Amino acid sequence: QKEVEQNSGPLSVPEGAIASLNCTYSDRGSQSFFWYRQYSGKSPELIMFIYSNGDKEDGRFTAQLNKASQYVSLLIRDSQPSDSATYLCAVNRKDSSYKLIFGSGTRLLVRP
Amino acid sequence: GAVVSQHPSRVICKSGTSVKIECRSLDFQATTMFWYRQFPKKSLMLMATSNEGSKATYEQGVEKDKFLINHASLTLSTLTVTSAHPEDSSFYICSARVARGGFRANEKLFFGSGTQLSVL
Repeated sequence: QKEVEQNSGPLSVPEGAIASLNCTYSDRGSQSFFWYRQYSGKSPELIMFIYSNGDKEDGRFTAQLNKASQYVSLLIRDSQPSDSATYLCAVNRKDSSYKLIFGSGTRLLVRP
Repeated sequence: GAVVSQHPSRVICKSGTSVKIECRSLDFQATTMFWYRQFPKKSLMLMATSNEGSKATYEQGVEKDKFLINHASLTLSTLTVTSAHPEDSSFYICSARVARGGFRANEKLFFGSGTQLSVL
């Protein structure tokens, strides 16, 4: 089992729709969870982070964390073509709180 | 946000040569820097962690004599791929942050723009 798993996609949604990206992780000791956006050939940029169970909203983005089920998700409301990118889920490693393990990413395509 | 400069952005070299990649934090002092490599459509794989003034810590399976990391100052870390071979071709990314530890430290983790290495 991979430490951080994501569906590679592509996830295709029409402009204006809600895009839902999911991520599961294997280490129950993980404490911090991050979502990054990466455009092709570019470096990742931080979108959201979440530490506690429940929802965390920031503009059009909502991160959801369920530690009991070991999943974290990212919702993007009112999706725009500019949101088309690969979204990486990252989770801290149990052996070292400051090192992140990245999923392989989900490619999102927002159709105009 | 903070800026991390990485260069070169792209390098093509012959097999057997060494390539140096620089990573600079431009407007903050980076206590800790990380080096990753990323294959197409794959996740970022952490190669090593370097703290200023101490030796880099390499992840399992990463050859420290192959990938030399130097973190000589609070604003500069370098990765040298020695005797590069075609299988070393990859996208290399550095990241930097102020704090050494704590799970909140990654809120202030900034990435360089990446280096695409192609070894012929």
